Amino acid sequence: QVQLVQSGAEVKKPGSSVKVSCKASGGTFSNYAISWVRQAPGQGLEWMGGIIPIFGTSNYAQKFQGRVTITADESRSTAYMELSSLRSEDTAMYYCARLYSSGASHAFEIWGQGTMVTVSS
Amino acid sequence: SYELTQPPSVSVSPGQTASITCSGDKLGDKYACWYQQKPGQSPVLVIYQDTKRPSGIPERFSGSNSGNTATLTISGTQAMDEADYHCQAWDSSTGVVFGGGTKLTVL
Repeated sequence: QVQLVQSGAEVKKPGSSVKVSCKASGGTFSNYAISWVRQAPGQGLEWMGGIIPIFGTSNYAQKFQGRVTITADESRSTAYMELSSLRSEDTAMYYCARLYSSGASHAFEIWGQGTMVTVSS
Repeated sequence: SYELTQPPSVSVSPGQTASITCSGDKLGDKYACWYQQKPGQSPVLVIYQDTKRPSGIPERFSGSNSGNTATLTISGTQAMDEADYHCQAWDSSTGVVFGGGTKLTVL
């Protein structure tokens, strides 16, 4: 059974960047799309973007275009999400999740444990 | 951009049926899925492709999607079902879209 294990909590200053990792273990990594979803305290889920490692192609939600970079290292079975120009509103739990796709149906079947990113001066 | 709307909260008595709605323009023309999220935990997929249950999800969870509304139904609701529920769909222009989430309280 595939598991997604994320890197640990981060505390960052406003204006800086953060890079969070998501390592897949126990199964195939490259053939499945990995997305990043964040959740601010007490709020709902928000999709940031995703990548298909075997193709190396990323797509991003319009809100995060230009500020987020999602990459993958197939040799390490690891996906990364880097968010720049951090502000207090970016304080949130960040999840990676593996996408199950069947035709036009897309659902996140496996989730990482989450990485808390706190932006504070 | 495409949007999904959920009621902020729904209450149900133990053993009764809970229904949580998710509304979006012509949502019935897309596939909807649902996640359960308990405090301090990652979301768990409970319904995908409108009506399908992943392995391990109890049969009391069911889904439907027609017109502008998708519905998650929990039959014989148990105390352990108290959680936040999030709907999600995919839009060709916007990408992945989530609803705002619904807090289910089992009174």
